[in-house]
Amino acid sequence: EAGVAQSPRYKIIEKRQSVAFWCNPISGHATLYWYQQILGQGPKLLIQFQNNGVVDDSQLPKDRFSAERLKGVDSTLKIQPAKLEDSAVYLCASSSDRYNQPQHFGDGTRLSIL
Amino acid sequence: AQSVAQPEDQVNVAEGNPLTVKCTYSVSGNPYLFWYVQYPNRGLQFLLKYITGDNLVKGSYGFEAEFNKSQTSFHLKKPSALVSDSALYFCAVIRDSNYQLIWGAGTKLIIKP
Repeated sequence: EAGVAQSPRYKIIEKRQSVAFWCNPISGHATLYWYQQILGQGPKLLIQFQNNGVVDDSQLPKDRFSAERLKGVDSTLKIQPAKLEDSAVYLCASSSDRYNQPQHFGDGTRLSIL
Repeated sequence: AQSVAQPEDQVNVAEGNPLTVKCTYSVSGNPYLFWYVQYPNRGLQFLLKYITGDNLVKGSYGFEAEFNKSQTSFHLKKPSALVSDSALYFCAVIRDSNYQLIWGAGTKLIIKP
């Protein structure tokens, strides 16, 4: 079974620029998550999708972050404009259900803001 | 409030010795508990979960975890540590209200040859 694919692996941009991350979940997984992980900390949930609908985006800074999963498969997370504090690893995860099945993570995108 | 605590920032173990990484939780209902491992520059990998049933749960790479309801703990264990087990370990519990994971702060496990 192919795992969760994310791209790019690394991205360096200047503050106020925009950036987009892509995620392709495990085939058949209806639930998709985007997390932000600051170095050495646990992941912080940004947004959760069930198929192509948003389940929870309460911790997504909506003035600068947006995410979509239009066809209920792959997903894109965008930051515009980026701030220095957005430097982090952005992890995508998927699971077969949103209740008690394990989440499977991609290797993430490490974002550095200059 | 529901929470997860990993009381040790770092655990050091000699190769070949048993290891324990501690986790305690606080939830209002039945706990659904998970352990994940993160190697440098990688995403989190699922190790094992407790939903119901036997208190001793076996997982990947020879790891196991013991659920203790009276002590509200879910400690991760391995009988004989390998240098390759060195990584960051996260405990997590599912929040009752929305089924999202509440994550511990992580414990860095260092296995010395």
